[in-house]
Amino acid sequence: SQTIHQWPATLVQPVGSPLSLECTVEGTSNPNLYWYRQAAGRGLQLLFYSVGIGQISSEVPQNLSASRPQDRQFILSSKKLLLSDSGFYLCAWGDIPSGANVLTFGAGSRLTVL
Amino acid sequence: QKEVEQNSGPLSVPEGAIASLNCTYSDRGSQSFFWYRQYSGKSPELIMSIYSNGDKEDGRFTAQLNKASQYVSLLIRDSQPSDSATYLCAVRPRGAQKLVFGQGTRLTINP
Repeated sequence: SQTIHQWPATLVQPVGSPLSLECTVEGTSNPNLYWYRQAAGRGLQLLFYSVGIGQISSEVPQNLSASRPQDRQFILSSKKLLLSDSGFYLCAWGDIPSGANVLTFGAGSRLTVL
Repeated sequence: QKEVEQNSGPLSVPEGAIASLNCTYSDRGSQSFFWYRQYSGKSPELIMSIYSNGDKEDGRFTAQLNKASQYVSLLIRDSQPSDSATYLCAVRPRGAQKLVFGQGTRLTINP
């Protein structure tokens, strides 16, 4: 069965510091991978998605970036965090190419920027 | 107009009653529709998917899709306190490799 790992689970960072969140998927090959962000009390905002190694689609202009160095690894980064980057970051993998279109989420990374 | 719209609530329902959650979407060519449940502080989990017009039932949950009206709903029968959560509607737009989510409806089941 497929599993998705996301870390770190919680982090507190000062404004201007860098960020790296990592996500890996097991039990599937060539998945679609996604980064969503959820601000407190809000819905899910799609940040980036990837349909293959090195292929990144950006949904929202911001100071974040994403990379997919391996088939089942997806990384979210920032060189300098802003207060507005605080939120709950969710990685997901999807079997959209198969037609089922279901997204399965990791446990999330809660980021507080001070 | 937002791509996917939900009433943010909160929606309060007595235990044992039917909870009705609604969602509208803007892309008429959307193909796939989902309901996710999210407990406070946790990640969303899929509870229902629906791909064609009509009703789809799974236990106490029924999803209803009306593509002509661009409307999808979720009914929860015999509501339990454990159903208290935020329910997120998600839609796959035509030709897209992504899901677009609504802002979620917070549901509270009162014992």
